[in-house]
Amino acid sequence: GQQVMQIPQYQHVQEGEDFTTYCNSSTTLSNIQWYKQRPGGHPVFLIQLVKSGEVKKQKRLTFQFGEAKKNSSLHITATQTTDVGTYFCHTGTASKLTFGTGTRLQVTL
Amino acid sequence: DAMVIQNPRYQVTQFGKPVTLSCSQTLNHNVMYWYQQKSSQAPKLLFHYYDKDFNNEADTPDNFQSRRPNTSFCFLDIRSPGLGDAAMYLCATSRDWGGQYEQYFGPGTRLTVT
Repeated sequence: GQQVMQIPQYQHVQEGEDFTTYCNSSTTLSNIQWYKQRPGGHPVFLIQLVKSGEVKKQKRLTFQFGEAKKNSSLHITATQTTDVGTYFCHTGTASKLTFGTGTRLQVTL
Repeated sequence: DAMVIQNPRYQVTQFGKPVTLSCSQTLNHNVMYWYQQKSSQAPKLLFHYYDKDFNNEADTPDNFQSRRPNTSFCFLDIRSPGLGDAAMYLCATSRDWGGQYEQYFGPGTRLTVT
């Protein structure tokens, strides 16, 4: 079945440093979504990527979909304490939806 | 305004005592999902409803059941909770089924089993 792995599992950065999480699939994806879950909170939709090689930006966040549509990345420039949380990628087929394993980001001053 | 509401936010139940968690939505979405999330793990899909059609994930234990009496409400019934069922239970909705549809999550119900 489809497996979606994220690396790293956990990252601790100083405020102002950059952060990247990678989402890797064993199969070709039709699309990829990214969600953020704050500590104690629920997942919140960030963005969706559909096209091969697609790049989208939201302020300090840059999302990329791989050319082969098997991987994706989320890059945060100059992290802030408000970026703390777990970032999940999410994808699906006609019969199965799958969350990635998640990357927990900790940001300290 | 809250779009996906879950009650209660915290639930304590005894081992083996049936418990029901509820979810309601104001989005008029066709699909409602129930997820189980344990600490430091990704949400695990238990089942979903597409309108009135119930769809169970293959690895969801029989101990977990669900009801959707109308578009707005969906319930999660745990018939005989075990200690391993202690987790956060998340309800979500989407306009339609498929990985391309944004999911809207409720705040979750944290279940403790004593």
